Amino acid sequence: DTEVTQTPKHLVMGMTNKKSLKCEQHMGHRAMYWYKQKAKKPPELMFVYSYEKLSINESVPSRFSPECPNSSLLNLHLHALQPEDSALYLCASSQVAQNNQPQHFGDGTRLSIL
Amino acid sequence: GENVEQHPSTLSVQEGDSAVIKCTYSDSASNYFPWYKQELGKRPQLIIDIRSNVGEKKDQRIAVTLNKTAKHFSLHITETQPEDSAVYFCAAREDSSYKLIFGSGTRLLVRP
Repeated sequence: DTEVTQTPKHLVMGMTNKKSLKCEQHMGHRAMYWYKQKAKKPPELMFVYSYEKLSINESVPSRFSPECPNSSLLNLHLHALQPEDSALYLCASSQVAQNNQPQHFGDGTRLSIL
Repeated sequence: GENVEQHPSTLSVQEGDSAVIKCTYSDSASNYFPWYKQELGKRPQLIIDIRSNVGEKKDQRIAVTLNKTAKHFSLHITETQPEDSAVYFCAAREDSSYKLIFGSGTRLLVRP
């Protein structure tokens, strides 16, 4: 069983819709990550939150807006997405970001943009 | 920044044989190297990791070796089973950031 929970598992949305992806962990981890994964490719880092503060934004378009309401929750708000944004969106967490602590992934949200 | 190359891209072995996947990295300051297994439609799952102060680590049928001088690390799976079939990703953690840099992945097929 995964200890990082993501909802929804699947999401289909139009290019004008607004939706949010949610991620939750109860392992006491203080670093949380969003990755994007296209088919047959490795995960690509999008954002890193460390102690609820945004630490890294990998030049992600503003149509993706992350939010970390508390140490257990991570959201990714979506607006005006493009068809090329269709992918698997993975959340991960680790004890802290600075040290060499393992990152554990959730099952992901498979996003399709019509 | 760090760059990780992974070979081979696909690997087919007979059940019971060994499988070896190799990765090279570019930044000599990188100090953490995890391996992930991703089955079709599922999340990447951490299977083993190694830190730069260790040359080898083993967990049952899985082992990882690290050569810091040559800047390469390898995953070894012995006595392969059909359930080992998956895509395997190596990664290296940049010393200067929180980022994991992934290799391009190896699709392993274990033939029964």
